[in-house]
Amino acid sequence: SQTIHQWPATLVQPVGSPLSLECTVEGTSNPNLYWYRQAAGRGLQLLFYSVGIGQISSEVPQNLSASRPQDRQFILSSKKLLLSDSGFYLCAWSVPGNTIYFGEGSWLTVV
Amino acid sequence: GQQVMQIPQYQHVQEGEDFTTYCNSSTTLSNIQWYKQRPGGHPVFLIQLVKSGEVKKQKRLTFQFGEAKKNSSLHITATQTTDVGTYFCATNTGGFKTIFGAGTRLFVKA
Repeated sequence: SQTIHQWPATLVQPVGSPLSLECTVEGTSNPNLYWYRQAAGRGLQLLFYSVGIGQISSEVPQNLSASRPQDRQFILSSKKLLLSDSGFYLCAWSVPGNTIYFGEGSWLTVV
Repeated sequence: GQQVMQIPQYQHVQEGEDFTTYCNSSTTLSNIQWYKQRPGGHPVFLIQLVKSGEVKKQKRLTFQFGEAKKNSSLHITATQTTDVGTYFCATNTGGFKTIFGAGTRLFVKA
């Protein structure tokens, strides 16, 4: 069966510090991969999606970036965090055209 | 880009009352998906509808897809405290992206 792992689960970072969130998927090949962000009590904002290694599409201009160095690995990064980057970050995968399966999420607080 | 509007934003009900959330789009949708997110958790897939006028049931939950495939609803009969959470509708666009409605947060008072 397919599983998705995301880490770290919780992160408190100072403004201006870098960020790296990592996500891996097991049990499937060539999945679509996604990063969503959810502000407290709000909806899900699609940040990035990837349909293959090295292929990244950005949905929202921001100081975040994503990379897909391997087929089942997806990384969310920032060189300098802003206060507004705080939120709940969710990695997800899907088979093209099918349902989304989310990881457990990473709570990021920028202080 | 394609958007799905979801209402209401919040709903407070007494345990045992019914609950409905609605999802609307100005364009025809290829499919509609529903997810539930428990407080502090991640969204979990509930169901997908693809056919015009489709109705599916899961115990006390009834999902409908409109005839024009521009709207959908999720109805919960006789809510329980375990139904608490945020319900999202979503649609898959072009096979690559899934976009979500803003969600309806359900509060159930025992």
